[in-house]
Amino acid sequence: KAGVTQTPRYLIKTRGQQVTLSCSPISGHRSVSWYQQTPGQGLQFLFEYFSETQRNKGNFPGRFSGRQFSNSRSEMNVSTLELGDSALYLCASRSRQGVGYTFGSGTRLTVV
Amino acid sequence: QQPVQSPQAVILREGEDAVINCSSSKALYSVHWYRQKHGEAPVFLMILLKGGEQKGHDKISASFNEKKQQSSLYLTASQLSYSGTYFCGTEVPGNTGKLIFGQGTTLQVKP
Repeated sequence: KAGVTQTPRYLIKTRGQQVTLSCSPISGHRSVSWYQQTPGQGLQFLFEYFSETQRNKGNFPGRFSGRQFSNSRSEMNVSTLELGDSALYLCASRSRQGVGYTFGSGTRLTVV
Repeated sequence: QQPVQSPQAVILREGEDAVINCSSSKALYSVHWYRQKHGEAPVFLMILLKGGEQKGHDKISASFNEKKQQSSLYLTASQLSYSGTYFCGTEVPGNTGKLIFGQGTTLQVKP
């Protein structure tokens, strides 16, 4: 059974640019969540999607957005990148409420 | 809203035991536990859904005191492979799907 796949693994972008990250959940998992991980702030919740609907959102500016497609694949977009957006972005999926999440390996974003 | 973990860091010798605590200021629907090794993704250990529930996996177990809004992770007879950062994550009733993580507890097991 394939795990959660995130692409790309590494990205280097310039301040002011925008970026799109992709996540393919485990087959059959309809809930997809995104997290930002930094040494200073730890694991911060970005948003959660279920059946193409954003159900929960964390405390991030509107520059951070996402969507989920009918096949449960998800993308997140960050516009007008800032240096502080440099982080590991993790995607996680699960089949239903009441079970644990499986995380992808993440996308390491560096903003220069 | 973020749960508070204690201690922040633990250093053990192989075979010793450890307890990691997770405390929330809100009523909880569930508590998750994950372990993350350096450079890797977090790995799910267990989820606790009912007050007082205890779950176990090999020599790692956890308890959930719903009344106190606390959970504890117990690592017994620690092995070198237990080293890593442990995170608890909490979901509140009516807002499941929004898993909020504690700041993490770094565990180092030495030979």
